[in-house]
Amino acid sequence: EADIYQTPRYLVIGTGKKITLECSQTMGHDKMYWYQQDPGMELHLIHYSYGVNSTEKGDLSSESTVSRIRTEHFPLTLESARPSHTSQYLCASSEPDRGNSPLHFGNGTRLTVT
Amino acid sequence: KNQVEQSPQSLIILEGKNCTLQCNYTVSPFSNLRWYKQDTGRGPVSLTIMTFSENTKSNGRYTATLDADTKQSSLHITASQLSDSASYICVVSDRGSTLGRLYFGRGTQLTVWP
Repeated sequence: EADIYQTPRYLVIGTGKKITLECSQTMGHDKMYWYQQDPGMELHLIHYSYGVNSTEKGDLSSESTVSRIRTEHFPLTLESARPSHTSQYLCASSEPDRGNSPLHFGNGTRLTVT
Repeated sequence: KNQVEQSPQSLIILEGKNCTLQCNYTVSPFSNLRWYKQDTGRGPVSLTIMTFSENTKSNGRYTATLDADTKQSSLHITASQLSDSASYICVVSDRGSTLGRLYFGRGTQLTVWP
C-alpha cells in the first residue's frame, strides 16, 4: 500500500471551531489532492497542489484552505466549521505523469460538525 | 457534459460466484480509465488502468474490459471472496487539459455473502 497518512481518522467538533486535517506522504510525490466524499456520491476535488508553494482550488466550491510548505505535507484547514462541512475528506498524491499514474489515497478523515 | 455512470448501484452475490460491474462514460477526449476498489473506512486503491488501445486487462481475479467506441467498460470478478466486499469506482481521465482532469463514478457497492 501507498505511504500516505491522514490524521485524525475521525473528528467530531462543534460549529464555529477551527480545524486542520493533516495529510503526509513519504513517496516524494509533487502532486497532492484533497477530495470530499459523501455516501453514495462521487469524489469531488476541492484542492490540489503541483508542488511546494503551489495550491489551486478544485471543482467543488469549498470554504477550506490548504498550504504546501513542504513536499510531503498538505494540510487542509477550516477556519469556522459548519454542519454542512460534515463529510469524508480524502487526501491523495500521484507521480508527475498524472494521466497514467494512479492516485494513492490516504484512509480519510471522517468529519462531523455538530 | 462529461459524466461517468456505474451500474448496478449495489450488488449482493454469494461467495464463489462471478459478477460483472458496468461503467459507461461520456468523457471526451479520452485518455484512460481506471478501476479502484474502496474498502469500508479506507481510501480507494487502484486495480487496473486501461488506455485507448487496450480492450482487456487482468489483475488476479479482476478483469477489466474497455470498448472505446461505445464508451463502456466492465469489471469482472471471478470466484468472489468475502474480501471482495467493497465499493468499486470507475474513474475516467481526459486528455488535452493541463490538469488531466479525472471524472469519478459513484461506485458499485458489492457485498459478498458466505
